[in-house]
Amino acid sequence: EAQVTQNPRYLITVTGKKLTVTCSQNMNHEYMSWYRQDPGLGLRQIYYSMNVEVTDKGDVPEGYKVSRKEKRNFPLILESPSPNQTSLYFCASSFGDRHTGELFFGEGSRLTVL
Amino acid sequence: GQNIDQPTEMTATEGAIVQINCTYQTSGFNGLFWYQQHAGEAPTFLSYNVLDGLEEKGRFSSFLSRSKGYSYLLLKELQMKDSASYLCAVFDSNYQLVWGAGTKLIIKP
Repeated sequence: EAQVTQNPRYLITVTGKKLTVTCSQNMNHEYMSWYRQDPGLGLRQIYYSMNVEVTDKGDVPEGYKVSRKEKRNFPLILESPSPNQTSLYFCASSFGDRHTGELFFGEGSRLTVL
Repeated sequence: GQNIDQPTEMTATEGAIVQINCTYQTSGFNGLFWYQQHAGEAPTFLSYNVLDGLEEKGRFSSFLSRSKGYSYLLLKELQMKDSASYLCAVFDSNYQLVWGAGTKLIIKP
């Protein structure tokens, strides 16, 4: 089954404790992206990747890191989480370097930072 | 700056028709998308418009007017399962997606 898989789905952590949210897709998509979604603000892009070893900042990259060592994986790293990073996070992927726009989303990871 | 406007919330009756509007101001335009998002779930793709006019797909239709910076999503024969948020997004000149905040649609019996 074609899918984007994120883990963990739910996480409660404390300020400053490094965490990684994994994202994996099995559709051989070149484009991958991370979003956060907060009430009233819609989806905001954190980082995106056009292909292996190519990553770029989105609209809200501060406090986050990513890597793209393999085509299928695109982990999101919070080196020192803070309460303002409490949010719902979505990983998404799509075909092509100028992707068609039909993004395939993971189920989301709800993160709470205390 | 780039901006996409949608109503925050709309209410409609089961079996009726509802139109969700989206206006955009972006640096360039390479297409407009509508996604559906049920509460607590991931967004799923509904439609893509790049040329002016109406695209129909079953009970859902999407319209685009590039000269007016305007689109709407039309949902017919509303069902309770259509209760969701509807997200409008535009591809700008750099093929980056600019997202609206979404419209929460409430369907009443």
